[in-house]
Amino acid sequence: EVVMTQSPATLSVSPGETATLSCRASQSVSWSLGRNLAWYQQKPGQAPRLLIYGASTRVTGIPARFSGSGSGTEFTLTITSLQSEDFAVYYCLQYNNWPPWTFGQGTKVEIK
Amino acid sequence: QVQLVESGGGVVQPERSLRLSCAGSGFTFSDYVMHWVRQAPGKGLEWVAFISYDVSNTNYADSVRGRFTISRDNSKSTLFLQLDRLRADDTATYFCARGPYRDMFGYMDVWGKGTTVTVPS
Repeated sequence: EVVMTQSPATLSVSPGETATLSCRASQSVSWSLGRNLAWYQQKPGQAPRLLIYGASTRVTGIPARFSGSGSGTEFTLTITSLQSEDFAVYYCLQYNNWPPWTFGQGTKVEIK
Repeated sequence: QVQLVESGGGVVQPERSLRLSCAGSGFTFSDYVMHWVRQAPGKGLEWVAFISYDVSNTNYADSVRGRFTISRDNSKSTLFLQLDRLRADDTATYFCARGPYRDMFGYMDVWGKGTTVTVPS
């Protein structure tokens, strides 16, 4: 099983600033045809929403202030110019080695 | 629009059973892999089970294997999860989520709002 570890658990950021979230896999989740890592946003009482797949491809309609990067075992989600609606919990998901599909434990982005 | 709507949650005593449903609409349900993912109160996301678009493949998390059964009725665009021998640690919101088109390999792109299962300890 691929273990996904996200850091930090909580990130306190002021509106307008940049948040950098990390996701580390216990083994590579990339191969020659792709980087198999997705990012989700979840707000209280809501379902997760897909933001990014393939480590860096934004879903249609997701603002450009969200960007993903990384490969192998180290991945980053960067949110620039944080807006009020961006304060939420963010999860990474690996879909390279399954089953099981495995999520990180989440990073909560809170208002500083 | 593409939509998934879960139902069937509730309060159920330990060792009893429950059946969850997930109705899909706005897409050709029979062409997509489907998953169940759960979230215990205040906790993160845990993948529970998946079923291929053609019902030829299923798989389960170790924590539920042998107790939960995933199935689907493509004629009714509905996904199911049969929960047997429930335990207190099965208490969670259960989300259904759409996987890739005709391929087990991929991420979940559309999620329902979830249905809550509570198993008192």
